[in-house]
Amino acid sequence: SQKIEQNSEALNIQEGKTATLTCNYTNYSPAYLQWYRQDPGRGPVFLLLIRENEKEKRKERLKVTFDTTLKQSLFHITASQPADSATYLCALARSDSNYQLIWGAGTKLIIKP
Amino acid sequence: DSGVTQTPKHLITATGQRVTLRCSPRSGDLSVYWYQQSLDQGLQFLIHYYNGEERAKGNILERFSAQQFPDLHSELNLSSLELGDSALYFCASSVGVSGGSDTQYFGPGTRLTVL
Repeated sequence: SQKIEQNSEALNIQEGKTATLTCNYTNYSPAYLQWYRQDPGRGPVFLLLIRENEKEKRKERLKVTFDTTLKQSLFHITASQPADSATYLCALARSDSNYQLIWGAGTKLIIKP
Repeated sequence: DSGVTQTPKHLITATGQRVTLRCSPRSGDLSVYWYQQSLDQGLQFLIHYYNGEERAKGNILERFSAQQFPDLHSELNLSSLELGDSALYFCASSVGVSGGSDTQYFGPGTRLTVL
């Protein structure tokens, strides 16, 4: 069955360091992969989208990589700040499922000052 | 503010009851998606409508139904409620028909508590 795995344990990072979050998937060939941020009790907010033929995407302090051989996406936040503390969700879509998103459970990121 | 509105914000009801959740998408968006998020399940896709037509169904129970109206707002109907239906219900919207390649804009959610 399709499976998307994100680190279930919270990730604690010191302010100013780079935070790296992992999204692994199995039995799946996604056409698109998206990353969202979710704060407690609020709806997810879109961050970045990367296509299957792209290796890397950047937006300000954010960087996403997509390795279809390893079936893995890495999400990096450089120069992390306490305001970056949130849960980060990855979501994948493939062409044969009408491009609907399938979501990982998310990783909670805590940036310590 | 994403531009997506959901009402009500909170809903407390009893088992066996029926409720209706409402969503208004961002101006110009034709797609509406419904998701359920509970503590132990993460974000679960329920159903997708595009311009009034159902496009895809996810893990939506038969007790649940939805529709998108001509003005593009959508309603999610939950009936014969059970304790396990307690969750946050999110609506999201996007411009196009593809859930995967479009940015989805999420509403603030409706917190449903079934007692």
